[in-house]
Parts: sequence; structure tokens; C-alpha cells
Amino acid sequence: AQSVAQPEDQVNVAEGNPLTVKCTYSVSGNPYLFWYVQYPNRGLQFLLKYITGDNLVKGSYGFEAEFNKSQTSFHLKKPSALVSDSALYFCAVRLPNSGNTPLVFGKGTRLSVIA
Amino acid sequence: SQTIHQWPATLVQPVGSPLSLECTVEGTSNPNLYWYRQAAGRGLQLLFYSVGIGQISSEVPQNLSASRPQDRQFILSSKKLLLSDSGFYLCAWSVRASGRNYYEQYFGPGTRLTVT
Repeated sequence: AQSVAQPEDQVNVAEGNPLTVKCTYSVSGNPYLFWYVQYPNRGLQFLLKYITGDNLVKGSYGFEAEFNKSQTSFHLKKPSALVSDSALYFCAVRLPNSGNTPLVFGKGTRLSVIA
Repeated sequence: SQTIHQWPATLVQPVGSPLSLECTVEGTSNPNLYWYRQAAGRGLQLLFYSVGIGQISSEVPQNLSASRPQDRQFILSSKKLLLSDSGFYLCAWSVRASGRNYYEQYFGPGTRLTVT
């Protein structure tokens, strides 16, 4: 069965420092991977996805993620954190050719950027 | 462009009362539709998903039900609410990306339900 893990419940980083939010996956095959962000009392917003091709994916708001097949990871990164990046971040996975089956989400990581 | 609507935005209901949350999608056809619940600002729990009118898959047995009376309408219901039904309810939709072999999923703004 496919699954995704976000090993950190909380990540704290100082404004201006680089940030990393970790995600690892467990699937049999080549996965499709996604990152979403949720601000308080809002729905999830799509940030970026990895489908195929270049392992480094760039997304919204200056975020990027690197697909690492050998480590089965898809960590979210940003070179310089902003206070406004403080939010809940979700990693999700789907197998190719899995049709209409829902995305499998991680439990979420709360990012707190401190001024 | 596609848009997803959820209403109401917030709802306070007494225990034992009925519930009806509605979700509609505009700008697309034959989407997959989903209901999620999120407790205490944490993880997402998939409740129901639908791949077509009248086709509902239930992921978690509980006192909630879902219906899809029209292609772009998804309704979450309960006959009698429990305290444990409190949470943030999110509707989502997905369609196959144009010319691609994967689905893109997007979320509505959510409904905050408080059962008192």
C-alpha cells in the first residue's frame, strides 16, 4: 500500500534562514508527489508537484522540492523563509495509473517562521 | 477557470440535530469529488469520494453520509450530529490533467462545524 510520512510535527525557523519540510514515501513504482499548504481556517492550496523529469521542482511562493528516488524522499525547501510562510504543510502521493483513487496525504507539518 | 464553493463557511449545531453541507464545482465536468474532515488543525481524514453521479465510496463508517445528485454537486449529511463530528470539513475535486496521465486535486475553502 502506498503511504507518505512527514516525520516532523513542527518545524521552527528564523526569518531569512533556509527551510526544509521533510516528506518520505513508500510506494511500489514511480510515484506522483504533491505539496499543499494550508493557512488557518482555509482550504489546502496546491504548491507544487513531481510527475516526471527534472528531480528539482519549482512551485508557488518561491518553494521548491527535490525528488530523491534512492532515499524515497520529496522534501520541500525554500532558500529564505518569510513570516508569512508560517502554515501547515501537507505532502501527498499517488501511484501512476491508479485512476480515480484519492491522494494519500501525510499528517502535516506545522511550519513556524519567527521574525 | 475552475472554482469550488462550499457553504456555509461556519456552522454551530446542537447535538442530535441534522446536518447538510454542500459543495459545488464550476468550470469542469465529471470531476472526482471528495469530503475530508480535519480535526484540531491537523491531519486530513478522507470521509467519502465520488467518481460520478450516484457513485459514493465511504472510507470511514460513521453517522455521516454523502450524496452526489448532480455532476458537480456533492453533499455531506447527517441525521443526528455527535459532539465528535465537530471539525473542519473540506470538499475537494480532481480531474485528469489535460493530455496527461495524472489527476490534479484542488480544495474548497472549508466549513467549520462546531457541535455543542
